Amino acid sequence: DPKIIQKPKYLVAVTGSEKILICEQYLGHNAMYWYRQSAKKPLEFMFSYSYQKLMDNQTASSRFQPQSSKKNHLDLQITALKPDDSATYFCASSQEGANTEVFFGKGTRLTVV
Amino acid sequence: GEQVEQRPPHLSVREGDSAVITCTYTDPNSYYFFWYKQEPGASLQLLMKVFSSTEINEGQGFTVLLNKKDKRLSLNLTAAHPGDSAAYFCAVSVRSNYQLIWGSGTKLIIKP
Repeated sequence: DPKIIQKPKYLVAVTGSEKILICEQYLGHNAMYWYRQSAKKPLEFMFSYSYQKLMDNQTASSRFQPQSSKKNHLDLQITALKPDDSATYFCASSQEGANTEVFFGKGTRLTVV
Repeated sequence: GEQVEQRPPHLSVREGDSAVITCTYTDPNSYYFFWYKQEPGASLQLLMKVFSSTEINEGQGFTVLLNKKDKRLSLNLTAAHPGDSAAYFCAVSVRSNYQLIWGSGTKLIIKP
């Protein structure tokens, strides 16, 4: 059974609309992350959260807003969608620490038309 | 801050040949090192993690070498087979904040 659940798996959105990408992890981890992968950037770190608090934000645009309603949830809200936002968005989690593996979800492939 | 450079971005080798992917890093306080594999259309999965005290780690069909003096981490695949075709990413953990800094990835293709 997948331990990090991302929904939906595929998403098509219209330019200018807003979407929320869902992520839940059942690994008992205290740190969660969002990454983005596209043809332009093989793997791009976006956000990290620890105990539901934002630790690092490497996303320049405020159109991307993480939302953590529960310890094991970290959703990603994207507003005013642009075609350039088309990418696969990976949610990940880990137990905070230097030597711990980061586990990745299966991703949400977003296409903005 | 830490910077990680991964080379080459693309690599094509024949089945049975070896393949080497290298990452260099800048922060001497880098602490833990990771290699991830991403098969086509799939997510990233840990291949191996190396601690700062380890210089050579062997897995099934591959070896990870860590050269702290040169700040270089390499993944050596021996006798590559079609299942090795994937993207490979290195990641380095910085002691100060445990943040992972990622390499830009290597797309490896194994030709029959």
